[in-house]
Amino acid sequence: ETGVTQTPRHLVMGMTNKKSLKCEQHLGHNAMYWYKQSAKKPLELMFVYSLEERVENNSVPSRFSPECPNSSHLFLHLHTLQPEDSALYLCASSQDLIIGAPGTEAFFGQGTRLTVV
Amino acid sequence: GESVGLHLPTLSVQEGDNSIINCAYSNSASDYFIWYKQESGKGPQFIIDIRSNMDKRQGQRVTVLLNKTVKHLSLQIAATQPGDSAVYFCAENTLWSSNYKLTFGKGTLLTVNP
Repeated sequence: ETGVTQTPRHLVMGMTNKKSLKCEQHLGHNAMYWYKQSAKKPLELMFVYSLEERVENNSVPSRFSPECPNSSHLFLHLHTLQPEDSALYLCASSQDLIIGAPGTEAFFGQGTRLTVV
Repeated sequence: GESVGLHLPTLSVQEGDNSIINCAYSNSASDYFIWYKQESGKGPQFIIDIRSNMDKRQGQRVTVLLNKTVKHLSLQIAATQPGDSAVYFCAENTLWSSNYKLTFGKGTLLTVNP
């Protein structure tokens, strides 16, 4: 248990559905992230939030919409996804945005396995 | 493109042997590196990190070596156990905008045979 909890663990959705992924961290961290992990690809950073403000959108299509209502919660709203969006979506948090010293590393949740049919 | 990559996609070792997982990076300005372990069905888990002003750091059964001359990072696992079977990622800390982000390599699958 890393202190970062993601729900649901598995999600199957149709291309016309709207769903949301949830992430919650109990570590008192100020920064939260969404990553996408596809087969045969490195972990891809999608969004970064610091103190509830989005500081990075890594060229992610608009069918992915993040929301950070407070520093403990992060959502990823999904709509009109494509089959190629099927992947493991990982949430992570870190004390602050500056990751560069022991104690500042990112902690990951267990991910949501998303399948788009 | 990605600046962090792994030499070997798979590694199979016998239980009790030592394992060495390698990683190459291309950004000479990177100053911080992390190794993560990802077991099946789980998210990446922090193992050990190293700053660029060091060339070696040891943890419990793990050692990370950094060779800045050739931009190479390795993770050594002593007395490998079945529980060590997982995908191992190296990540490098790169400056973007005014902050840092982690850039991950593709991962190496370590299989420990009993």
